[in-house]
Amino acid sequence: GENVEQHPSTLSVQEGDSAVIKCTYSDSASNYFPWYKQELGKRPQLIIDIRSNVGEKKDQRIAVTLNKTAKHFSLHITETQPEDSAVYFCAAGDNDYKLSFGAGTTVTVRA
Amino acid sequence: DADVTQTPRNRITKTGKRIMLECSQTKGHDRMYWYRQDPGLGLQLIYYSFDVKDINKGEISDGYSVSRQAQAKFSLSLESAIPNQTALYFCATSDSRDGAGELFFGEGSRLTVL
Repeated sequence: GENVEQHPSTLSVQEGDSAVIKCTYSDSASNYFPWYKQELGKRPQLIIDIRSNVGEKKDQRIAVTLNKTAKHFSLHITETQPEDSAVYFCAAGDNDYKLSFGAGTTVTVRA
Repeated sequence: DADVTQTPRNRITKTGKRIMLECSQTKGHDRMYWYRQDPGLGLQLIYYSFDVKDINKGEISDGYSVSRQAQAKFSLSLESAIPNQTALYFCATSDSRDGAGELFFGEGSRLTVL
């Protein structure tokens, strides 16, 4: 089955700086790579996703890059704000849509 | 608003008891999932169902069973709860017409097994 590794497990950044979270996956059949954000005490919510036919996708201050050859993908958050503090999960899945999630990264934005 | 609702939100029980967590959705989605969240382990898939007659095991199905009573209802049972099943459980839905699309999570059910 798919194995997704996520790094770092915790990340502390100064407000206004950038944050980068990296994930690797094992199954070359995976073709869908979403990122979920979970605020404290809340449910996970999709913030951005990318499919295997695209190398990069942006949505305002967040972007995701995918390197299928190396089997890794990354989340980039620019100009971080206090409301970006949360746990972020990467995931990888195939056409049957069985997602495997990374262990999560706790991001803390310092004011 | 169309949503995914889980009951109970919190439950404390004893080892050996039978527990049922229920999930209902008003999104009209055909696919439903049960995930377990443990600190440092992310979200692990327990069972998933792509329609009423389709039930599939996920990564960690041992000790759990499910029932898809209707398109909108998917329940998770622990026949004989044990302490290492203490966790936060999430139900989720997705729409197959969306291809590999977004998961919509419920608010979670926190289960403590003593």
